[in-house]
Amino acid sequence: AQSVTQLDSQVPVFEEAPVELRCNYSSSVSVYLFWYVQYPNQGLQLLLKYLSGSTLVKGINGFEAEFNKSQTSFHLRKPSVHISDTAEYFCAVSDRGNTGKLIFGQGTTLQVKP
Amino acid sequence: DAGVIQSPRHEVTEMGQEVTLRCKPISGHNSLFWYRQTMMRGLELLIYFNNNVPIDDSGMPEDRFSAKMPNASFSTLKIQPSEPRDSAVYFCASSPGQGWDEQFFGPGTRLTVL
Repeated sequence: AQSVTQLDSQVPVFEEAPVELRCNYSSSVSVYLFWYVQYPNQGLQLLLKYLSGSTLVKGINGFEAEFNKSQTSFHLRKPSVHISDTAEYFCAVSDRGNTGKLIFGQGTTLQVKP
Repeated sequence: DAGVIQSPRHEVTEMGQEVTLRCKPISGHNSLFWYRQTMMRGLELLIYFNNNVPIDDSGMPEDRFSAKMPNASFSTLKIQPSEPRDSAVYFCASSPGQGWDEQFFGPGTRLTVL
């Protein structure tokens, strides 16, 4: 069975500073990995996903994530954040079945301060 | 496509009343997921369907909760009788159904049980 751990529940950061949101996963098989973002009062939307190939994945809004198989991690990064990046971020792993089920982490709230 | 449609967007009801939440998935998607989100418990998967068949309902909290998917374009989540602890935001999501596919989330229904 797969599981996902997001190591930080809240990450405060100043505007224009870099940020890293950490995600570790556990799985006995190869995985597909996702990052979703949830802005206030909205549903979740996809930021990026890793399926195979290059371990550095670029997503929307300047975010990127790096898949590290040896450390079973998929950390999300952005070199310079904006106030508008304030949101909750969820890491997820696919259960590799044929239903599209995802196992989500607990979420990390990114608070960007002016 | 209009995306995943949920109704109502807000529901306020009194304890003991029946509540029905509705979801229209994206046309052509084979899988549909119902989630509940609260501050205390985060994002929880309640039940999901594949090709209109319930695959896993182990996340449904109690017998008071039931879900149906009578056809590929409609699903309901019913709570009867409702209790104050059911207050949450309920999300519906749909997916084409493969392990590498993203889930598309609706805007959610905010339920308040008084």
